[in-house]
Amino acid sequence: RKEVEQDPGPFNVPEGATVAFNCTYSNSASQSFFWYRQDCRKEPKLLMSVYSSGNEDGRFTAQLNRASQYISLLIRDSKLSDSATYLCVVPWRALTFGSGTRLQVQP
Amino acid sequence: DTGVSQNPRHKITKRGQNVTFRCDPISEHNRLYWYRQTLGQGPEFLTYFQNEAQLEKSRLLSDRFSAERPKGSFSTLEIQRTEQGDSAMYLCASSLELAGHNEQFFGPGTRLTVL
Repeated sequence: RKEVEQDPGPFNVPEGATVAFNCTYSNSASQSFFWYRQDCRKEPKLLMSVYSSGNEDGRFTAQLNRASQYISLLIRDSKLSDSATYLCVVPWRALTFGSGTRLQVQP
Repeated sequence: DTGVSQNPRHKITKRGQNVTFRCDPISEHNRLYWYRQTLGQGPEFLTYFQNEAQLEKSRLLSDRFSAERPKGSFSTLEIQRTEQGDSAMYLCASSLELAGHNEQFFGPGTRLTVL
């Protein structure tokens, strides 16, 4: 089993839609988690940190379920500019990245 | 620009040649990381430094790979006798590690193509 697993997508959604991504992790000792965003042919950038049960920042909500060892990212009112790959990240061996979930928001 | 910088941005080389990449982290950051990313995958950890000390190396880092951070500032990653399987984006990141895991800032990467 991979340390971090994500659905690769792509998720194709219309503008204004709500979309959710899930991520499962295997290292039960992890205390904090991250979502990074990566645009095509660019470097990853931190989107959100998740230290307890969840975190909300505007249209973005991240939730953590320690019992089931999964993290979710919810994007409300999707914008065209949200089109990117979203990487689930667990701090283990520096950072352990999932393969990413690609989101394409369409007009 | 005070972000992480990497040079060169692109490198094309022939199989068997040696290549060296450079990373300049954000100046006050004490940790520096190297990752490798191939198409359709997330970045994979290679190695990291705290100041000038190399603290951990991944099994991905074969004996053809060596990294240094001689003065605790910039770092170099050298690949000897390159193979086609080494073709990837090599990402450098830095962080100011005080307690726990702090945000890593990534450079734009060096894209290596081995012919």
